[in-house]
Amino acid sequence: GDSVTQMEGPVTLSEEAFLTINCTYTATGYPSLFWYVQYPGEGLQLLLKATKADDKGSNKGFEATYRKETTSFHLEKGSVQVSDSAVYFCALSDRGSNYQLIWGAGTKLIIKP
Amino acid sequence: NAGVMQNPRHLVRRRGQEARLRCSPMKGHSHVYWYRQLPEEGLKFMVYLQKENIIDESGMPKERFSAEFPKEGPSILRIQQVVRGDSAAYFCASSPVRAENTGELFFGEGSRLTVL
Repeated sequence: GDSVTQMEGPVTLSEEAFLTINCTYTATGYPSLFWYVQYPGEGLQLLLKATKADDKGSNKGFEATYRKETTSFHLEKGSVQVSDSAVYFCALSDRGSNYQLIWGAGTKLIIKP
Repeated sequence: NAGVMQNPRHLVRRRGQEARLRCSPMKGHSHVYWYRQLPEEGLKFMVYLQKENIIDESGMPKERFSAEFPKEGPSILRIQQVVRGDSAAYFCASSPVRAENTGELFFGEGSRLTVL
């Protein structure tokens, strides 16, 4: 079945460092891909998405490019801030999963000042 | 425009008691999803409801768990005869259309159930 694999956390970085959180997927069709963010004590909120190969989603300085050849959707940010500390979830939606959202386990990001 | 409202935020129950978790979706949203999140784990889909109908309950345990979304009032996730393994955060999310069409779900802040 469809699945999403994220790099394990926690990821600890200093402020202004470059961030990459890896996400790879397996899917039977042509999925749409998403990144959600969960700040401490809050629910999840959509950060960005891409619906077809080579699309780039971007929001709040974060970017992710849909790479069909490597089945990846890595999240990047050029210069992180303490306020970016959160848990980041990669997810997909695909015909093979009956269009349910399939979630990765989440990656906790800790930014130190 | 209020977001998705869940209550209670925290609930403590003893083994064998019942837990009722409520979710009021965003105004205009008729699609509701319930997820469970265990500590240090990702979200696990439980059930998808659309007003008065259960559309997909493939993630719901067959026993003790039930969900409803009546015509009037909030969606309710009910857990009967709770056990320690039910301790988790339960998130409700809503969408104006099937979330799979857009991928965008609007989440509540969650209800954290602790079973003693």
